[in-house]
Amino acid sequence: EAQVTQNPRYLITVTGKKLTVTCSQNMNHEYMSWYRQDPGLGLRQIYYSMNVEVTDKGDVPEGYKVSRKEKRNFPLILESPSPNQTSLYFCASSYAGNQPQHFGDGTRLSIL
Amino acid sequence: DAKTTQPPSMDCAEGRAANLPCNHSTISGNEYVYWYRQIHSQGPQYIIHGLKNNETNEMASLIITEDRKSSTLILPHATLRDTAVYYCIVRPRNQAGTALIFGKGTTLSVSS
Repeated sequence: EAQVTQNPRYLITVTGKKLTVTCSQNMNHEYMSWYRQDPGLGLRQIYYSMNVEVTDKGDVPEGYKVSRKEKRNFPLILESPSPNQTSLYFCASSYAGNQPQHFGDGTRLSIL
Repeated sequence: DAKTTQPPSMDCAEGRAANLPCNHSTISGNEYVYWYRQIHSQGPQYIIHGLKNNETNEMASLIITEDRKSSTLILPHATLRDTAVYYCIVRPRNQAGTALIFGKGTTLSVSS
């Protein structure tokens, strides 16, 4: 089954403790992206990747890192999480950057 | 800023057609109209997209006016599982990598 898989689905952690949210897709998609969703602000893009080893900043990249060493994986790294990064995060992928995107089920992060 | 305007909410009886309007009066010639939906806090789900011709797939139909300034998403036989927030998004065809701009969308409530 074609899917975008995020892990973990839920995480409660503390300020400053590094964490990684993994994202994997099994559709051989070139394009992958991370969004965060906050009440009243909608979905905002954090980072995206057009292909392996090619990443670029979205609208709200501060406090996040990404890497794209393999086509299927696009992890989101919070080196020193802060409470303002408490949010619902979605990973998405598509064949190319201008094609319809498939989204994962989301990761709800709470930073205390 | 979102380039689209949608009613904040709509109701539909189960089994009836749901017609969701979207205004995109500033759309340019190379921009597609995309529709996504989000059920509760799940990941957004792609529904359909089009440039100027009407489109139909297994989920819905998309009717775009001749001047392209508005469109209507039609769910022919709405079910309770179609209750969701529906987003109409205008996106340039050749701007690969740019974020999907999710506005506030229309909350569709389907009732029995």
